[in-house]
Amino acid sequence: DGGITQSPKYLFRKEGQNVTLSCEQNLNHDAMYWYRQDPGQGLRLIYYSQIVNDFQKGDIAEGYSVSREKKESFPLTVTSAQKNPTAFYLCASSTRTGARNTEAFFGQGTRLTVV
Amino acid sequence: DAKTTQPPSMDCAEGRAANLPCNHSTISGNEYVYWYRQIHSQGPQYIIHGLKNNETNEMASLIITEDRKSSTLILPHATLRDTAVYYCIVRVREGAAGNKLTFGGGTRVLVKP
Repeated sequence: DGGITQSPKYLFRKEGQNVTLSCEQNLNHDAMYWYRQDPGQGLRLIYYSQIVNDFQKGDIAEGYSVSREKKESFPLTVTSAQKNPTAFYLCASSTRTGARNTEAFFGQGTRLTVV
Repeated sequence: DAKTTQPPSMDCAEGRAANLPCNHSTISGNEYVYWYRQIHSQGPQYIIHGLKNNETNEMASLIITEDRKSSTLILPHATLRDTAVYYCIVRVREGAAGNKLTFGGGTRVLVKP
């Protein structure tokens, strides 16, 4: 089945360590996104990529880094510079049909806890 | 993307229609209204979208006012499984700008037996 997969579902790390969250899609989508969600809050955009080897900062990019070497993959690294990394992280993808962008499809999320 | 305003929460009786309002008074002519919902601890799920005409699919109906400054998502027969946070967002569909999706706080809907 086509879809977007985030792994792992739960992740624990010690403070000061970098950690990379995986996001893979087999939907042949051009655009991919990373969001952060804190308890009881909405989604905030961290980074997004419209095409391979290109990405743009979202609203809260500080302390995060991404790469887009393959169309299918958009890993997110939470660095030690991120002051409050504990959160629920969501990856999404979308594409274009003709000139129009389609709706976004989301993964099931990774819950990161930094202790 | 234009900012949207939604009530933070609402309750609905099981089997009744749920009407979820959204204000988007600064929406541009080329921006669409999208609705997503997020069930607890899962990724958001697309529901429906529209530009200016009313839309209906198997999940819901979307009513957009004539001036496009507000819209209402209608869940015709709410079930307990419809308990979720519902997000209204506006975005362009054409071009690279349409790839940036901005979510607000959403409406937390609780369907009660």
